[in-house]
Amino acid sequence: GQNIDQPTEMTATEGAIVQINCTYQTSGFNGLFWYQQHAGEAPTFLSYNVLDGLEEKGRFSSFLSRSKGYSYLLLKELQMKDSASYLCADNQGGKLIFGQGTELSVKP
Amino acid sequence: DAGVTQSPTHLIKTRGQQVTLRCSPKSGHDTVSWYQQALGQGPQFIFQYYEEEERQRGNFPDRFSGHQYPNYSSELNVNALLLGDSALYLCASSYRQGAGMSYTFGSGTRLTVV
Repeated sequence: GQNIDQPTEMTATEGAIVQINCTYQTSGFNGLFWYQQHAGEAPTFLSYNVLDGLEEKGRFSSFLSRSKGYSYLLLKELQMKDSASYLCADNQGGKLIFGQGTELSVKP
Repeated sequence: DAGVTQSPTHLIKTRGQQVTLRCSPKSGHDTVSWYQQALGQGPQFIFQYYEEEERQRGNFPDRFSGHQYPNYSSELNVNALLLGDSALYLCASSYRQGAGMSYTFGSGTRLTVV
C-alpha cells in the first residue's frame, strides 16, 4: 500500500516549537520529502531524508525512522510566515506519494 | 536560473471540453511529472515523462494524456472534462527521473470546470 498519514490541522503560537508527524507504508521506500506550500503557490522543498536520524537545517529539522515508517518535521522559533500547509511525500521510485497535508496556523 | 514555468495560471472550462496545460522544466532537468491537487488535499501523481515517453502513471483515466517535447517541455491534456477535474495542476521537473532530491515544482495551473 501507499498510504501516507499526517494530521489535517495544527495550531501553534509564535515563537514556540511544533512537531508535525507523518507515517507511511515502508514497501518500496526510497526516501521521504517534506514540502511547505502557501495557499495558491508551488510546494517548496524543505528536506529529504533517506537514512534514519535527525537532520537539522536552521529552524527546521526532519527525523526519519525507516523501521517504523515514521517521520516528523520540527519547526522552531515559529514565525507568522510559517503558517502554511506542510506536505510529507514518499519517494516511490521517482513518483511522489503525498499525504493530505497538515495546515499549520501560527497565532500571535 | 529559471525555475519551472507553467501556463496558463488560471483557466475556466465547460464540462465536456478539452484542455491543454503546459510546463517548461527547470534548466538542466530532463524529466517532467504532473500532479493534480484538489482543494485541501495533497498532490496526486498523474504521470511522468522522460525521453519523450510516459514512464510511470498514477490512477487516472485515459482522458488524461500527455506529451514531452525534445526540449523537455511537456503538455497535459484532459478530454471530456468533468466537474471533478477542477483542481490545481502542478508540474514538477527533475533530473534523471528524480534521482535523489532534485524535484522542483511550478506554481501550477488552477483549472475550474463549470
